[in-house]
Amino acid sequence: GNSVTQMEGPVTLSEEAFLTINCTYTATGYPSLFWYVQYPGEGLQLLLKATKADDKGSNKGFEATYRKETTSFHLEKGSVQVSDSAVYFCALVGAGGTSYGKLTFGQGTILTVHP
Amino acid sequence: GAGVSQSPSNKVTEKGKDVELRCDPISGHTALYWYRQSLGQGLEFLIYFQGNSAPDKSGLPSDRFSAERTGGSVSTLTIQRTQQEDSAVYLCASSLTQASYEQYFGPGTRLTVT
Repeated sequence: GNSVTQMEGPVTLSEEAFLTINCTYTATGYPSLFWYVQYPGEGLQLLLKATKADDKGSNKGFEATYRKETTSFHLEKGSVQVSDSAVYFCALVGAGGTSYGKLTFGQGTILTVHP
Repeated sequence: GAGVSQSPSNKVTEKGKDVELRCDPISGHTALYWYRQSLGQGLEFLIYFQGNSAPDKSGLPSDRFSAERTGGSVSTLTIQRTQQEDSAVYLCASSLTQASYEQYFGPGTRLTVT
């Protein structure tokens, strides 16, 4: 079946540091890939997505590139802010009609950014 | 417009009791999903609705769990004879269609079974 593996956290950074959160996946065919973010006390929000190989998703300064050859979708940001402190989830939707759009999530990575 | 809403936001129940969790999706969204977020299992899919039918119930952990959706809108997740391992945050999400790939999540219902 489909699975997603994220780097274990928590990740603690100083403001303006570079962020990478690694994500690799296992799936047949060409899944669609997502990063979701959960800010403290809030619900899950879609951060960015990529639906085919070599696509780059980007939003709010975050980027991730769909790498089919390495089955990866690493999240990066050049300069983090305190307001980026949250839990980040990598996720996929399997290819094909029987996936029904259901998300398979990684375990989540807690990010804390200090001033 | 309004987002996905869930009620109650918190529910504490005794082991063995039944509970009902409600989800109001975004108006016009035909696809609705239930997920569960727990410390031990992370975020896991429970059930998917397209309209009022549930083509995929593969994530329901036992026959104590059931869900229905009426009028292509509100959905109710029912857990019978709750157990302590059912304690988790239950999340509902909706999307315009199952192929639209952007799911909007509600704030969740935190269930605690004592």
